[in-house]
Amino acid sequence: NAGVTQTPKFQVLKTGQSMTLQCAQDMNHNSMYWYRQDPGMGLRLIYYSASEGTTDKGEVPNGYNVSRLNKREFSLRLESAAPSQTSVYFCASSIYRGLSYEQYFGPGTRLTVT
Amino acid sequence: GQQLNQSPQSMFIQEGEDVSMNCTSSSIFNTWLWYKQEPGEGPVLLIALYKAGELTSNGRLTAQFGITRKDSFLNISASIPSDVGIYFCAGQETSGSRLTFGEGTQLTVNP
Repeated sequence: NAGVTQTPKFQVLKTGQSMTLQCAQDMNHNSMYWYRQDPGMGLRLIYYSASEGTTDKGEVPNGYNVSRLNKREFSLRLESAAPSQTSVYFCASSIYRGLSYEQYFGPGTRLTVT
Repeated sequence: GQQLNQSPQSMFIQEGEDVSMNCTSSSIFNTWLWYKQEPGEGPVLLIALYKAGELTSNGRLTAQFGITRKDSFLNISASIPSDVGIYFCAGQETSGSRLTFGEGTQLTVNP
């Protein structure tokens, strides 16, 4: 049981390049999320998918697109990378435990845009 | 949107000391979660709280869901060097599955 996996672990892009961050979970969770983490700012939600076939914007969606490919996979795409998108990106998935959605995180992708 | 204030921002303590940190919200949450993040890793769920007034322990960690539903506390007893990391609180609104995260408390434990 791998939990939440993310690829790649590290990436360096030049301004204007595009790339897709991959995320997969094997816990049969319905909901999946993409966050970015910047120093001193905690975790900020970029996009989320409450269930297969649906996606919604989070707190900081500008410059990103997402695709919920199936129940297991949720990808994040940067169409034209900018230095402001230098960050650590985390994917998470969640299970509903009757009262709440507990989220479980992947190991992160460290992205640098030069 | 929702805002969570987490304090302190950082703590430097000696091994064996107890630690307390807290989060406060401007709005009511129906769930509080506490996560720990070690360097180079993703956050790991430590404790989940579902009811106002609830007190839950996980080993040396104890967390409480405030009566007003606008705050939560995490205590670590008898700290050890492997407690080092960033501790995040997260709250869930009364509807939906989105979480709001605090900015984190960076804990350093000196042997």
